[in-house]
Amino acid sequence: KNQVEQSPQSLIILEGKNCTLQCNYTVSPFSNLRWYKQDTGRGPVSLTIMTFSENTKSNGRYTATLDADTKQSSLHITASQLSDSASYICVASGYSTLTFGKGTMLLVSP
Amino acid sequence: DTEVTQTPKHLVMGMTNKKSLKCEQHMGHRAMYWYKQKAKKPPELMFVYSYEKLSINESVPSRFSPECPNSSLLNLHLHALQPEDSALYLCASSQVGQEGSTDTQYFGPGTRLTVL
Repeated sequence: KNQVEQSPQSLIILEGKNCTLQCNYTVSPFSNLRWYKQDTGRGPVSLTIMTFSENTKSNGRYTATLDADTKQSSLHITASQLSDSASYICVASGYSTLTFGKGTMLLVSP
Repeated sequence: DTEVTQTPKHLVMGMTNKKSLKCEQHMGHRAMYWYKQKAKKPPELMFVYSYEKLSINESVPSRFSPECPNSSLLNLHLHALQPEDSALYLCASSQVGQEGSTDTQYFGPGTRLTVL
C-alpha cells in the first residue's frame, strides 16, 4: 500500500531560525516527490517537485532534498518568517495518482 | 494567469438541498481534479477529468456528481448530502495529468461546505 509519513507532526520555532521537515514514502512505481504549503482554510501551493533523478531543489528560502534509494525527502526552511506558519504537505506521485502525507504544522513565533 | 478560482467560498446546505460547486481555470490545463479535505487531514482525491472526460472516480458516493462542461470549467453537483460530508472541497488543475507527469497541480482556495 502506498504511504507517506511526515515528521514531526507539529513544530514551533522562533522567527529567523531554520528548520527541517522530514518525509518518508513507500510509493511504487515512483515518479516524483512534491512539497506543498497550505495556509489554514486555503488550497495547497506547490513549493517544489523533484523526480527520482534529482537530489535537491530550491525555491527561495525553501530547499528540498530527495534520496530515492532510502525513499526519504526533507524540506529545509531558512531564516523563517511569520508568514511561513502553515501546514507543509509531502506528496509522492506514482504513475496515476498522488499519495499525500498528513502534513507538518509549522508555527513561527515572534 | 496561474489562478484556479472556486465559488462559492462558503456554502451551508441542508440534507435535502441541491447545490453546485464551481471551479474555473484559464491556464489551458487539460486535467482537473476534485479533492475533499477534512480538518487536519490531507486532501483526498475524489475525481479526475482528463481532456474533459472522467478518468478517475475514487469510489465516491453518487450524491456527488461531477461535470466538466468545457476545458476551463469543472462543477461538482451535490444532492442529499450527509453532515459527515462537511469539509473543504478543493479543485485543482494541471497541464495534462499524464502517467508519470511532473506537471504541477495548481489548487484553488476551496469551498468550505457545511451540511446541516
